[in-house]
Amino acid sequence: GAGVSQSPSNKVTEKGKDVELRCDPISGHTALYWYRQSLGQGLEFLIYFQGNSAPDKSGLPSDRFSAERTGGSVSTLTIQRTQQEDSAVYLCASSFTDGAEAFFGQGTRLTVV
Amino acid sequence: QKEVEQNSGPLSVPEGAIASLNCTYSDRGSQSFFWYRQYSGKSPELIMSIYSNGDKEDGRFTAQLNKASQYVSLLIRDSQPSDSATYLCAVSPYGNNRLAFGKGNQVVVIP
Repeated sequence: GAGVSQSPSNKVTEKGKDVELRCDPISGHTALYWYRQSLGQGLEFLIYFQGNSAPDKSGLPSDRFSAERTGGSVSTLTIQRTQQEDSAVYLCASSFTDGAEAFFGQGTRLTVV
Repeated sequence: QKEVEQNSGPLSVPEGAIASLNCTYSDRGSQSFFWYRQYSGKSPELIMSIYSNGDKEDGRFTAQLNKASQYVSLLIRDSQPSDSATYLCAVSPYGNNRLAFGKGNQVVVIP
């Protein structure tokens, strides 16, 4: 596609439910990044993919968070047993290769009630 | 020491003036440096990339990189109200290709 696409744009879920966030990177981009941004805060790194592998998972805040990427393309971020502190905007970015310019999707605003 | 630091508080500049933003980074082997602009409620937008020491100009924006001093800066000339946003510095550390971001600097251009 023309840009990074994330879905859904907004998600409201009840505490304790699982949610799945999707990121469709720019075609041909091998690197994919997930970040989280709480209201008024900076970007918190979650996980990075090169192809289908994740060399850096250091940012995942707990074992309730997991992510996968298939076919070197679409990635899904799954949050199990959501908590209110998980409420944030989840941003995905992709780049042609490591260290190259990264472009962001519009984000998914997650609200846990 | 944080990977990427942007320490200045909100910056208010009159319309037409130059806005200057600074960023320092801890990994001396970092190779790639970026500036992003983020409007309130929107996702970050890439405005500048720089890879070599010196200056890089693109329209009203100039990025400056000094690897010896481990800092990168952004100048916005002839500031416009539409430049009012948060500016994020990002660095790709050596051997770890995730992109590390600073907390950002808010710029307010006063008409």
